[in-house]
Amino acid sequence: GESVGLHLPTLSVQEGDNSIINCAYSNSASDYFIWYKQESGKGPQFIIDIRSNMDKRQGQRVTVLLNKTVKHLSLQIAATQPGDSAVYFCAEKWDNFNKFYFGSGTKLNVKP
Amino acid sequence: EAQVTQNPRYLITVTGKKLTVTCSQNMNHEYMSWYRQDPGLGLRQIYYSMNVEVTDKGDVPEGYKVSRKEKRNFPLILESPSPNQTSLYFCASSRTRQGGAGANVLTFGAGSRLTVL
Repeated sequence: GESVGLHLPTLSVQEGDNSIINCAYSNSASDYFIWYKQESGKGPQFIIDIRSNMDKRQGQRVTVLLNKTVKHLSLQIAATQPGDSAVYFCAEKWDNFNKFYFGSGTKLNVKP
Repeated sequence: EAQVTQNPRYLITVTGKKLTVTCSQNMNHEYMSWYRQDPGLGLRQIYYSMNVEVTDKGDVPEGYKVSRKEKRNFPLILESPSPNQTSLYFCASSRTRQGGAGANVLTFGAGSRLTVL
């Protein structure tokens, strides 16, 4: 597998349990956030996004929560499945510079 | 299938030997970008392009060059590779860099693993 998974915080969950992955962002002026999933040997894939004027957004089995007061994002995955095993990272868009900054990621291991 | 295609996927080369990593997208996206991914550092932007013939430096541009002669292609050039450029490289594109949130979502290629000896 790719070495991108090394040196990352790791979350291990049992199949069927809910997962919560956290991300602290740096810029209080960031206006848009995206969660990506990166499976071994693949490029990052879009999961869900949220604008700064919202505090919660739901997708299929995933929910993103945004707390602007403490500059914190979380990704909740319901009924975690083995196929959810991957590295997850958040990206924040810096409005002033119109560019994205990516977190270093969290590795999710789903135990059968 | 809508995708970003990078080549080569794996490359081992030696210090100083010029190389090019190609990137092509079939979605008519305006915005394209190159990132490198290193353990513990996340994705760092090397160069980006807002449209044809418009390119600009990202956060770690040293040792790299790019060109955007056509909308679909955005090659990354390492004129004289060095061992500190050993990394996993990703090309990505989005519909635009301005506009609504959905237009900013990046589609990534599968990555190019480069080793410089």
